[in-house]
Amino acid sequence: EAQVTQNPRYLITVTGKKLTVTCSQNMNHEYMSWYRQDPGLGLRQIYYSMNVEVTDKGDVPEGYKVSRKEKRNFPLILESPSPNQTSLYFCASSPLLNTEAFFGQGTRLTVV
Amino acid sequence: DAKTTQPNSMESNEEEPVHLPCNHSTISGTDYIHWYRQLPSQGPEYVIHGLTSNVNNRMASLAIAEDRKSSTLILHRATLRDAAVYYCILKGGGADGLTFGKGTHLIIQP
Repeated sequence: EAQVTQNPRYLITVTGKKLTVTCSQNMNHEYMSWYRQDPGLGLRQIYYSMNVEVTDKGDVPEGYKVSRKEKRNFPLILESPSPNQTSLYFCASSPLLNTEAFFGQGTRLTVV
Repeated sequence: DAKTTQPNSMESNEEEPVHLPCNHSTISGTDYIHWYRQLPSQGPEYVIHGLTSNVNNRMASLAIAEDRKSSTLILHRATLRDAAVYYCILKGGGADGLTFGKGTHLIIQP
């Protein structure tokens, strides 16, 4: 089954403790991206990757890092999480830029 | 990417057609019109997209105005499972992602 898998689904952590949210897709898609969703602000893109070793900033990249060492994986790294990064995070992938995007189920992160 | 305008919410009855409007008067010639929906507690789900011609797929139809300044997503026979927030998004040729607005909250009455 074609899917985008995020882990973990839920995470509560403390300020400053480094964490990684993993994202994996099994569709051999070139394009992958991360979004965060906050009430009243909608979904906003954090980072995206056009292919292996090619990443670029989205609209709200501050406080986040990403890497794309393999085509299928696109982890989101928070080196020093802060409470304003409490949010619902979605990973997405698509084969090309203007085609159907597949989203993961989301990771609800709480930073206390 | 150009902006879209959608009603905040709409209500329809189960098993009836639903027409969700979207205005995008500043659309450029290379912008595709995408529709996604988000069911409660789930990630966004692709519905349909098009450039100039009307499009049909198993989920819905997309009717695009001749001047491309508006479009309508048509759900032919709504079910309770179609209750979701529907997003109309314009996507140009750049590598940046989808710009989600507030969308239309579709309520389906049994």
